[in-house]
Amino acid sequence: DTGVSQDPRHKITKRGQNVTFRCDPISEHNRLYWYRQTLGQGPEFLTYFQNEAQLEKSRLLSDRFSAERPKGSFSTLEIQRTEQGDSAMYLCASSFLVREQYFGPGTRLTVT
Amino acid sequence: TQLLEQSPQFLSIQEGENLTVYCNSSSVFSSLQWYRQEPGEGPVLLVTVVTGGEVKKLKRLTFQFGDARKDSSLHITAAQPGDTGLYLCADQGGSEKLVFGKGTKLTVNP
Repeated sequence: DTGVSQDPRHKITKRGQNVTFRCDPISEHNRLYWYRQTLGQGPEFLTYFQNEAQLEKSRLLSDRFSAERPKGSFSTLEIQRTEQGDSAMYLCASSFLVREQYFGPGTRLTVT
Repeated sequence: TQLLEQSPQFLSIQEGENLTVYCNSSSVFSSLQWYRQEPGEGPVLLVTVVTGGEVKKLKRLTFQFGDARKDSSLHITAAQPGDTGLYLCADQGGSEKLVFGKGTKLTVNP
């Protein structure tokens, strides 16, 4: 059973550009979560899906952020008009219902 | 909003020493989890504890959950360089999302 994978692992972009990250969860996991982690902090919840339905969004998820999970499998997180404050590690996790969450390696975003 | 405080924030020790790190919550934990995160990687789940007073052992790691379910400790015996990392505690409450502390950054020097 392969773990959670994320792509790309690193992304450097210029302020104002759009970026998209992909997460492939563990197969058979119906829940998928996105978190953001900045330097010196623990991960902070952004949003989560059960199958293809987005069930909760954090106040951290501004209008520039959008997440999808169109077929209940992989998910994408898009950030439009990136700002320097968006620089962070974006982590994806998956679980089966409310059981333990398993994290991917993350995508490190740097906005210059 | 639940707040998790972890202490110490940083810890640097020599190989072979013992250490303890702490996690305290502003409210009762629903399901306390401990993770270890290496630089540039995602957190890896170490243990889940739910019962007050519970003690779990994972090789050289001992996890204790306070009777009142508002505090926890992680004790490492005879630390090794491979134990180096960021130790995070988290609560998985009824809303399913995890709430994390800021972590304890442990460095074990050879």
